[in-house]
Amino acid sequence: GESVGLHLPTLSVQEGDNSIINCAYSNSASDYFIWYKQESGKGPQFIIDIRSNMDKRQGQRVTVLLNKTVKHLSLQIAATQPGDSAVYFCAEKSVAGGTSYGKLTFGQGTILTVHP
Amino acid sequence: EADIYQTPRYLVIGTGKKITLECSQTMGHDKMYWYQQDPGMELHLIHYSYGVNSTEKGDLSSESTVSRIRTEHFPLTLESARPSHTSQYLCASRAGGDGYTFGSGTRLTVV
Repeated sequence: GESVGLHLPTLSVQEGDNSIINCAYSNSASDYFIWYKQESGKGPQFIIDIRSNMDKRQGQRVTVLLNKTVKHLSLQIAATQPGDSAVYFCAEKSVAGGTSYGKLTFGQGTILTVHP
Repeated sequence: EADIYQTPRYLVIGTGKKITLECSQTMGHDKMYWYQQDPGMELHLIHYSYGVNSTEKGDLSSESTVSRIRTEHFPLTLESARPSHTSQYLCASRAGGDGYTFGSGTRLTVV
């Protein structure tokens, strides 16, 4: 079945360092990917997305890399700050038709802790 | 600021009680979703709706039911709560595009 999973459940970094959070997915039909940030007591918050026709997309301090050959997705956070501490989820969606149309499939989250 | 609202934020209730978790959005989105999430774990889709009078079950089997009588409102009901229903319930909505907006969730504890 479809699944999206993360390699590392926890990541601790020092303030100012760069962070890399990884994600593997198994559905080769996935063509849209999203990274969410979830702080304690809140719902997931959109960070950045990427379509399968792209390899890389940059936002403000964040970059998402997509390697379709090995079905791997990563989120890079530059100059990590204490406010970045949260759980990060990757999610995939197939924009093709069928019963999975439009539904997000989430992986297990990675807990990012940024030490001052 | 989120334009999707969930109430209550926290709920502790006894076994066997009927409960309704509220979700409302002011963005006019057609598509709405309910996800169930255990602490630190992935979100599992339990219900979704693509418009008024449209509801479907998600990937994770759930004893809850939903209704969509109005575009902005997508409540979730448990007829008889059990301790196994203890979890966080997240509501989300989106327009025709890709972006999902999530509510802050309802943390349910059944004792």
